[in-house]
Amino acid sequence: QKEVEQNSGPLSVPEGAIASLNCTYSDRGSQSFFWYRQYSGKSPELIMSIYSNGDKEDGRFTAQLNKASQYVSLLIRDSQPSDSATYLCAVNRNDYKLSFGAGTTVTVRA
Amino acid sequence: GAVVSQHPSRVICKSGTSVKIECRSLDFQATTMFWYRQFPKQSLMLMATSNEGSKATYEQGVEKDKFLINHASLTLSTLTVTSAHPEDSSFYICSERGTGQYEQFFGPGTRLTVL
Repeated sequence: QKEVEQNSGPLSVPEGAIASLNCTYSDRGSQSFFWYRQYSGKSPELIMSIYSNGDKEDGRFTAQLNKASQYVSLLIRDSQPSDSATYLCAVNRNDYKLSFGAGTTVTVRA
Repeated sequence: GAVVSQHPSRVICKSGTSVKIECRSLDFQATTMFWYRQFPKQSLMLMATSNEGSKATYEQGVEKDKFLINHASLTLSTLTVTSAHPEDSSFYICSERGTGQYEQFFGPGTRLTVL
């Protein structure tokens, strides 16, 4: 079992719709969860961090965490063409390092 | 978040040569930095943790004699790919720990092509 698994893409959504990205992790002791956005040919950019169960909203992004289910998600509301990118889920290991999922590629259709 | 720079952004070299990549922290004194490698359409793979003033710690399967890491100051870590071969062609990215819990901020990356 991989440490961090993301729903396979690519995910195509029309402009203005909600894009829903899912991530599960195997280490029940993980405490910190991150979503990174990576445009093609660029390095990852941190867009959300979440540490407690529940929802965290930042602009059009909402991260949801359920530690009991070992599940974290990212919702992108009112999707824009500029949101087209690969989204990486990252979870802390039992040290201070991060494990990354394979990523979900999102395409927003104009 | 933290601001990290990398140099060069792109390098093409012949097989057998060594390539040095620099990673600089522009706003923090980074005692710990990380080096990742990313092959096309794959996720980030941690190669090693760079520790200021001490030896780097390498992930399982990463050859420490091939990927030399030096972290001589609080703002600079370097990765040297020794005797590079075409299979070393990849996107190398460094990161720095932020002030938040476990968060990391990435440099812009270095694309290495070995001919």
